[in-house]
Amino acid sequence: QVQLQESGPGLVKPSETLSLTCSVSGYSISSGNYWCWIRQAPGKGLEWIGCTHQNGNIYYNPSLQSRVTLSIDPSDNQFSLGLTSVTAADTAVFFCARGGSVSRFDFWGQGILVTVSS
Amino acid sequence: DIQVTQSPSTLSASVGDRVTLTCRTSETVYNRVAWYQQRPGKAPKLLIDDASRLQSGVPSRFSGRGYATEFSLTIISLQPDDFATYYCQQYGTYSLTFGGGTKVEI
Repeated sequence: QVQLQESGPGLVKPSETLSLTCSVSGYSISSGNYWCWIRQAPGKGLEWIGCTHQNGNIYYNPSLQSRVTLSIDPSDNQFSLGLTSVTAADTAVFFCARGGSVSRFDFWGQGILVTVSS
Repeated sequence: DIQVTQSPSTLSASVGDRVTLTCRTSETVYNRVAWYQQRPGKAPKLLIDDASRLQSGVPSRFSGRGYATEFSLTIISLQPDDFATYYCQQYGTYSLTFGGGTKVEI
């Protein structure tokens, strides 16, 4: 069974960089698929952030692209998200997920709440 | 970006009811729509992809249909576990977008 688990700080200061890692078990991220991040502000809907593939392809939400870095580490079976210059508007639950391609998401992590506050 | 609009935003129903949730996209996405169920405090769960393909393990009371810009999710005979928020998502382009969700409440 594919399992994903997000990790990282739960509190980030404004203007700093949010960094999260997603650890994958039960499946090798080198097997293909896109590995993606989605966020959900408190009480709000889902927002796609971006997806990365081990072949180097990366797709971003255009509204976040200038602040987002996605990377993948097949040796540790992990992938990561960086979001720069955060503000309170970036406070959200961040989910990592597996994408079939750049499409729908079939396996999700449980999510991690990241609060942006001084 | 392709905009995704779900209606209604909230739907009140009872156990045993048949309900239909609607999803519209601002441009054609062919059949490239997925539906998710999200319970409070949990990650979304993929129910249907390619507009109508039921995922393994998802009860057959869920069904999806639609093409181009109009899509729907129907739940026949609502069960207590089905009271949740449902999101549709388009993947017709490489810029993925979700609808705002429909909360199905008692």
